Amino acid sequence: AQSVSQHNHHVILSEAASLELGCNYSYGGTVNLFWYVQYPGQHLQLLLKYFSGDPLVKGIKGFEAEFIKSKFSFNLRKPSVQWSDTAEYFCALGNTGKLIFGQGTTLQVKP
Amino acid sequence: ETGVTQTPRHLVMGMTNKKSLKCEQHLGHNAMYWYKQSAKKPLELMFVYNFKEQTENNSVPSRFSPECPNSSHLFLHLHTLQPEDSALYLCASSQGGTGSADTQYFGPGTRLTVL
Repeated sequence: AQSVSQHNHHVILSEAASLELGCNYSYGGTVNLFWYVQYPGQHLQLLLKYFSGDPLVKGIKGFEAEFIKSKFSFNLRKPSVQWSDTAEYFCALGNTGKLIFGQGTTLQVKP
Repeated sequence: ETGVTQTPRHLVMGMTNKKSLKCEQHLGHNAMYWYKQSAKKPLELMFVYNFKEQTENNSVPSRFSPECPNSSHLFLHLHTLQPEDSALYLCASSQGGTGSADTQYFGPGTRLTVL
């Protein structure tokens, strides 16, 4: 069965700290992977996606993610977080028109 | 800015009520989705429509009844709900095609409370 696991449920960082959020998936076929973000009071929006090609994917607002096939991972990174990055982050696996989401990680950035 | 709108944004209903949630997308997409977002649980896919045809029903109880009259509109009819159905219901749309894993665009959601 396909599944997505996000290891960190709640992360608290100070501004300028580096961020890495873990995401592992379970699926044996070709994968399409996504990171979505939900800012407080706002709708889910796409941060970045991987379909094929360069495993290092750059997204909006300075975020990037690396697809490591051997580890079934798609971790999200940002070198220096800002207070405005406070949000909930969701990793998702896409297959046959469906998205399977992880549990989400709440990121709190302290000013 | 989202091209997917949902109404109402908040809804409180009793267990014997009948209500409907509405979703509209302005992106020219052909696939639409209903998700349920509960606290501390992953987003749960409920229904998928492609070109107005239902292509996925993720074992959703019959007290939830979707309707897709055209590619731009999606409804979720609710009747005799239970308190555990209280959640944020999200609508999404994508370009469409069951063989693809398109980027999905989400609406703001309807916060449903069942008393």
